[in-house]
Amino acid sequence: SQQGEEDPQALSIQEGENATMNCSYKTSINNLQWYRQNSGRGLVHLILIRSNEREKHSGRLRVTLDTSKKSSSLLITASRAADTASYFCATGLGGGADGLTFGKGTHLIIQP
Amino acid sequence: NAGVMQNPRHLVRRRGQEARLRCSPMKGHSHVYWYRQLPEEGLKFMVYLQKENIIDESGMPKERFSAEFPKEGPSILRIQQVVRGDSAAYFCASSPPHSYEQYFGPGTRLTVT
Repeated sequence: SQQGEEDPQALSIQEGENATMNCSYKTSINNLQWYRQNSGRGLVHLILIRSNEREKHSGRLRVTLDTSKKSSSLLITASRAADTASYFCATGLGGGADGLTFGKGTHLIIQP
Repeated sequence: NAGVMQNPRHLVRRRGQEARLRCSPMKGHSHVYWYRQLPEEGLKFMVYLQKENIIDESGMPKERFSAEFPKEGPSILRIQQVVRGDSAAYFCASSPPHSYEQYFGPGTRLTVT
């Protein structure tokens, strides 16, 4: 089965810096999503990019998708302490709703 | 609009007992998904249900695990004869029809002693 894999596994930066996380996957997809999980909590949906899109913005978030390389990146600009969390990419296959395949995540720590 | 509700939040069971996890989707959402998360791991898809139907159970173990989403009431994930390896966080998500985005509940943390 396909699987998203995030890179790096952990990232520690200073508040105000930009954070970039990458995700690779194995098979063709319909869409790719990024989620955030604070320690011990449920996941929060951040942004979705469809397979025919290359870049998408939402506030301080910028997501890119390169289907030829089967990779995506999530950029968080002007990071804040509250951005400390684990970030997961998830891929969906189908033309409709279906179960998502998650990677192991990148644990982001923002140093104040 | 209340978010996805899961209960209990924490559940402790002895080996061999049954665990029942409940999930109430967001209002207007007819699709429910269950995922399992082991420590330091990503979420693993288990099962996808719509009202009264199992759409995809490819991620669910064939034995001891079952799921339902009845016409009335919450979705239930049932684990019979639990073993230590079942200890994990179980997350439920819901989505409205024709949507890719999933909205997650806070999870149920199952501990098998």
